[in-house]
Parts: sequence; structure tokens; C-alpha cells
Amino acid sequence: DTAVSQTPKYLVTQMGNDKSIKCEQNLGHDTMYWYKQDSKKFLKIMFSYNNKELIINETVPNRFSPKSPDKAHLNLHINSLELGDSAVYFCASRSTTGVYGYTFGSGTRLTVV
Amino acid sequence: AQTVTQSQPEMSVQEAETVTLSCTYDTSENNYYLFWYKQPPSRQMILVIRQEAYKQQNATENRFSVNFQKAAKSFSLKISDSQLGDTAMYFCAFRDAGNNRKLIWGLGTSLAVNP
Repeated sequence: DTAVSQTPKYLVTQMGNDKSIKCEQNLGHDTMYWYKQDSKKFLKIMFSYNNKELIINETVPNRFSPKSPDKAHLNLHINSLELGDSAVYFCASRSTTGVYGYTFGSGTRLTVV
Repeated sequence: AQTVTQSQPEMSVQEAETVTLSCTYDTSENNYYLFWYKQPPSRQMILVIRQEAYKQQNATENRFSVNFQKAAKSFSLKISDSQLGDTAMYFCAFRDAGNNRKLIWGLGTSLAVNP
């Protein structure tokens, strides 16, 4: 299936730990994003990569580090997790040519305890 | 700064009836894109409908249609013949026409379709 896939779907971890969320798209899109959805359902951009190059880096703590080994992958690594990091994290991809639609992954619910 | 406002946190509609969700936005750009996304309890973000600002004709997708008023910066979503499966959060989003731009999101409207 063509899609944006994120792993894991659920992640429960203790404060202070380091964790990663992986994202892969097989749509041939050249731009990928990480969005954060907080407990009030508000969505906010975190990062965007175009062809492995960082394009958007919003005001995000530097404990969050995106990594794009190739244009089909955009992983999110989080160091020293805090309670406030609990949220749903969405990966998305988009082609910058043709139709300007976004495709989202199914989200990763991160719970920091 | 570009903003998106959804003034209805919650709405409900009876099955088979029509409901309209409102969205207004603020931008100084002339060319941009507007989207409605649906997020059911499964959490998946699903594109419902998309409108290019340079197109005067309102977009339609089956039971979903928009009323795009560019001068008023309004982009409402009409759902006709509401179905139980339409129960979800609905988000309005804006993106300007430049490449690699981010989506600016509204706070969402929680829609409940009642049997």
C-alpha cells in the first residue's frame, strides 16, 4: 500500500528517557513534516525537510532532533523526555509538484510518565 | 502572521441532515490553498476537500462542498446527508503558495452525527 507509515503507534516511557519515532513514505514525495497535536487537539508544525534538507524548524526545544537519511524517511529523536512532551506526533509528506495535497501518517501517541 | 479561526468548538447534527462548519482565515497573500481535514476517533488525519484560492469555483467532493468567499476570507464546509461515520474532529487549514510551506491549523470543530 502507498502510504505514510509511522512507528510505533503508541509509546509510553519515563521522564528522562530518549526515544525515537520513525516515519517512512513510499509516495515519492519530496517534502516531509512533523506535526505535534497537543491534548487540546491543536496541531502545530515542528519540522519540515525537502530532499533531506531542513526547511522549517519551528521553535522546538533542541531536545527534539529530526533526521532524514533519504527523502523517503524522516525520523524524530527526542532526548531527555519531559511530561509536557506527551502528545500525538504526526508525520506527513507532500509533493511540491502537481497536486498540493498532504498525506498523513496515523500518528504516534507519546505518553511520558 | 497567518491565522485560521474555527469559531464552533462543537456541533451536532441529525443523521441525513445538512451541517455547515465555519472557518475564517487571515492572510495578506493572494495565492494560497485551503483544506478541510477530518480526524475520526481512529486519529488518522484524512483530507476531506481542498480549494485553490485562484479558483472561483467552489470545490465539491461527493457529500462535501465548500463555500469559499475570498474577499471575506471565509471557507466553510457543508456536509450534506450526514452519516454516522462523519462523526469526527474537523480541522480547517491554510497554506500559502510557496514551496515547502507549513500548514496553519484551526483549533478544530468536533462534529457529532446523531442517529
